[in-house]
Amino acid sequence: EAAVTQSPRNKVTVTGGNVTLSCRQTNSHNYMYWYRQDTGHGLRLIHYSYGAGNLQIGDVPDGYKATRTTQEDFFLLLELASPSQTSLYFCASSDPDRSAETLYFGSGTRLTVL
Amino acid sequence: GEQVEQLPSILRVQEGSSASINCTYENSASNYFPWYKQEPGENPKLIIDIRSNMERKQTQGLIVLLDKKAKRFSLHITDTQPGDSAMYFCAASHSNYQLIWGSGTKLIIKP
Repeated sequence: EAAVTQSPRNKVTVTGGNVTLSCRQTNSHNYMYWYRQDTGHGLRLIHYSYGAGNLQIGDVPDGYKATRTTQEDFFLLLELASPSQTSLYFCASSDPDRSAETLYFGSGTRLTVL
Repeated sequence: GEQVEQLPSILRVQEGSSASINCTYENSASNYFPWYKQEPGENPKLIIDIRSNMERKQTQGLIVLLDKKAKRFSLHITDTQPGDSAMYFCAASHSNYQLIWGSGTKLIIKP
């Protein structure tokens, strides 16, 4: 079973705070993704990467940075958190280059910005 | 940007009956159409997918239909059970591998 692990599970910060969400996958997948999920919007892609050192902009990148340090590790950074970034964040991995388009999601991080 | 419209947003059906969810997409180059199920408090999981070289796919009580002319695809759950209650998301992608997601359907199975 493919494995994607996110940490922390829950995070509360204040407006202007600095937050890092972590994701590690042990699937040997090249692609990793950060999504946010909000009621009425479904899943929205923030950033994605197709390998260590690579970063691609998704559909809702404003206010977010990301970094892919290794094939396994992908981080999402909120350097000046705002209440609009209160959301449920999912990391996922896949390998579409090898016809493995299935996304394997982590368990999510619920972020609250006060 | 590109959108995938998913309807209905909420669907209530009697246990044992069928449920249908419909999605339409904009990009005629889309060639891969997955469906994900998300149970309360869980992460989304792939339940079935279809590629553009097929019109119908069936597995374990799930049927997916694809109409490329109308740019429409749909999920049909036959003989619904309480365990089918969940959020369902459709998505579409083309050559750049980016999935465009629908906004989700909350399926409620009434006993």
